[in-house]
Amino acid sequence: DIQMTQSPSSLSAYVGDRVTITCRASQNIGSWLAWYQQKPGKAPKLLIYKASSLESGVPSRFSGSGSGTDFTLTISSLQPDDFATYYCQEYSSARTFGQGTKVEVK
Amino acid sequence: EVQLVESGGGLVQPGGSLRLSCAASGFTFSHYWMTWVRQAPGKGLESLATVKADGSGAYFVESVKGRFTISRDNAQDSLYLQMNSLRAEDTAVYYCARDVAVGTSGGQMHYWGQGTLVTVSS
Repeated sequence: DIQMTQSPSSLSAYVGDRVTITCRASQNIGSWLAWYQQKPGKAPKLLIYKASSLESGVPSRFSGSGSGTDFTLTISSLQPDDFATYYCQEYSSARTFGQGTKVEVK
Repeated sequence: EVQLVESGGGLVQPGGSLRLSCAASGFTFSHYWMTWVRQAPGKGLESLATVKADGSGAYFVESVKGRFTISRDNAQDSLYLQMNSLRAEDTAVYYCARDVAVGTSGGQMHYWGQGTLVTVSS
C-alpha cells in the first residue's frame, strides 16, 4: 500500500505570506497527485490535480509541483480565505490521502 | 450543475447496519467511477471504496472489507454503501465523490457531496 506523508502537520502564517506544504509518497506515483482544501464542516474542494494542473475556478496563487515521490503545494500570497486544512491524495492506486496540514492565522 | 446528495446516515448501535445513498445529477452518472470517502470526527480523510461504471468495486481499507459493500444503480443515478457489523470506529461523516471518467486516466475527485454523519454508539 502507498503511504502519503504531509509536512508540516500544521503551520501558522500571516496574510500575505508564501506558504509551502510538502507531500511524500512511499513509492513512485508519477504525477497522479491531487491537492484539496477543506474548511470546518465542509466537503473537501479540489485545488490541483495531476500534480500541477489548477482546477477551474481556483485562484492562481495556488500552485502544485513535483513528480515521482515528492510534491509541493504553494500558496504564493496567503489570503484570509485560505486558512483551512489541506490534503494531498494519490490516485496511482488506492486514492490514499495524506494526514492533512492545518494552516492557521499567526 | 453537478450535484451529489448523500442520505441514510444516523445513529446505529454497534453491530447494526446502515445503507447510505448518494443521488447524482447534472452529469452522465454511468460515465464515471464513484468513490466513498469518510472522515472521523477531528480526523483526516480516508478513501473507502470505488465502484467502476460497470459496478465492479474496489475496497481500500482493510477494516471495511467484508463488512461494507459499494454498489450503484446507473438507471437511478445513485450510489450506495451498505454497511454491516458497524463498529464505534466507523463513526464518521461519509462523503460520496465523483471519480474518474470512463476511458480517461485519473482519480482526482472534482465533485463531492455534503456528507452524511454516521454515529455508531449504544
